[in-house]
Amino acid sequence: DAGVTQSPTHLIKTRGQQVTLRCSPKSGHDTVSWYQQALGQGPQFIFQYYEEEERQRGNFPDRFSGHQFPNYSSELNVNALLLGDSALYLCASSLGRGARSPLHFGNGTRLTVT
Amino acid sequence: QKEVEQNSGPLSVPEGAIASLNCTYSDRGSQSFFWYRQYSGKSPELIMFIYSNGDKEDGRFTAQLNKASQYVSLLIRDSQPSDSATYLCAVNLVTGGGNKLTFGTGTQLKVEL
Repeated sequence: DAGVTQSPTHLIKTRGQQVTLRCSPKSGHDTVSWYQQALGQGPQFIFQYYEEEERQRGNFPDRFSGHQFPNYSSELNVNALLLGDSALYLCASSLGRGARSPLHFGNGTRLTVT
Repeated sequence: QKEVEQNSGPLSVPEGAIASLNCTYSDRGSQSFFWYRQYSGKSPELIMFIYSNGDKEDGRFTAQLNKASQYVSLLIRDSQPSDSATYLCAVNLVTGGGNKLTFGTGTQLKVEL
């Protein structure tokens, strides 16, 4: 039973560039959420996708956008990268969006912006 | 006031002792509560979740919830060096057709030989 998979594992970009991160949810899961985790902090909610639509969004600028595909996989896009976007980006999947649907995290993508 | 607060630690306990990790939250609408373990450089791993007041046990782990006090804790019995990690408390608030987890900053646990 494959867990949540993310790619790439590491990425180095330059300020102003754009980046796309990818995520495949755990088998049987239909909901994907994205989180950003800065060093020494807890993960911060970016947004959540269900049925190919963004259902909820955290306090992140429009430079952060996403997409969910019919097979439930998802992408996170960040435009006009800033140094402050350097972080671990975590994808989490769940079955549904209810309060009793635990999130299962992938191994993350470490983004460094120089 | 932060939405989810944890003592950053480090919390040091000797091997075999009970480690007690605490978390408070501000939103009384919070419906479910999760504990994740995160090793350095790795992603969070789900340990336990609890929805109802009281205790929930799973092996060496016990989660405790007191909604009136807006307090949730995690007890780790017979602590092992492999339990040394950062423990993240997360709270789920279901609003507007979606849900999200709000995390604390985590408590670093060190289990010493």
